[in-house]
Amino acid sequence: GQSLEQPSEVTAVEGAIVQINCTYQTSGFYGLSWYQQHDGGAPTFLSYNALDGLEETGRFSSFLSRSDSYGYLLLQELQMKDSASYFCAVGVNSGYALNFGKGTSLLVTP
Amino acid sequence: DTAVSQTPKYLVTQMGNDKSIKCEQNLGHDTMYWYKQDSKKFLKIMFSYNNKELIINETVPNRFSPKSPDKAHLNLHINSLELGDSAVYFCASSPAKNTIYFGEGSWLTVV
Repeated sequence: GQSLEQPSEVTAVEGAIVQINCTYQTSGFYGLSWYQQHDGGAPTFLSYNALDGLEETGRFSSFLSRSDSYGYLLLQELQMKDSASYFCAVGVNSGYALNFGKGTSLLVTP
Repeated sequence: DTAVSQTPKYLVTQMGNDKSIKCEQNLGHDTMYWYKQDSKKFLKIMFSYNNKELIINETVPNRFSPKSPDKAHLNLHINSLELGDSAVYFCASSPAKNTIYFGEGSWLTVV
């Protein structure tokens, strides 16, 4: 079967750096993705890692280690608007769909 | 221009009723989905279509029936609604593996 584990809640201060970890178990691996969802909104794509290493997109970076079945999302220079839920997801059915983790609720405080 | 649009956004209905949610994407993507998000924010795939063909049908009661008249549309019909069907239903589309664009969601409340 499949499972994804990520912390349920994280709190950090504006301007700080926060790392949200994700460990996964999957029978076939088709990449690790990250999505952001604000309350009342739709999930939006942040980042995708198919291979080991770091992908950087502005203030956000995502890392993958396939040998450890582990990845993380790194958010730098936190802003209040970064308060949201963050989901890691793995590809299934040859990558044609995603299975999502239960999400990490990030609260950024002043 | 809205990329993935779904209607209605809010729907309150009584148990036992039948309802539909419509979805359209103007991105030219071949793959479309329905996801369900429960009150604990758990996002679970229900169905996936590729070029109008059903490719993923997760363990969903057969009261839920998707229909894809063309590759830009994927509608969801729900029969005999139950209290447990209350959730947010997201339509989505994808141009490539692992990148999914979600619609704004349809908030379904069954009373």
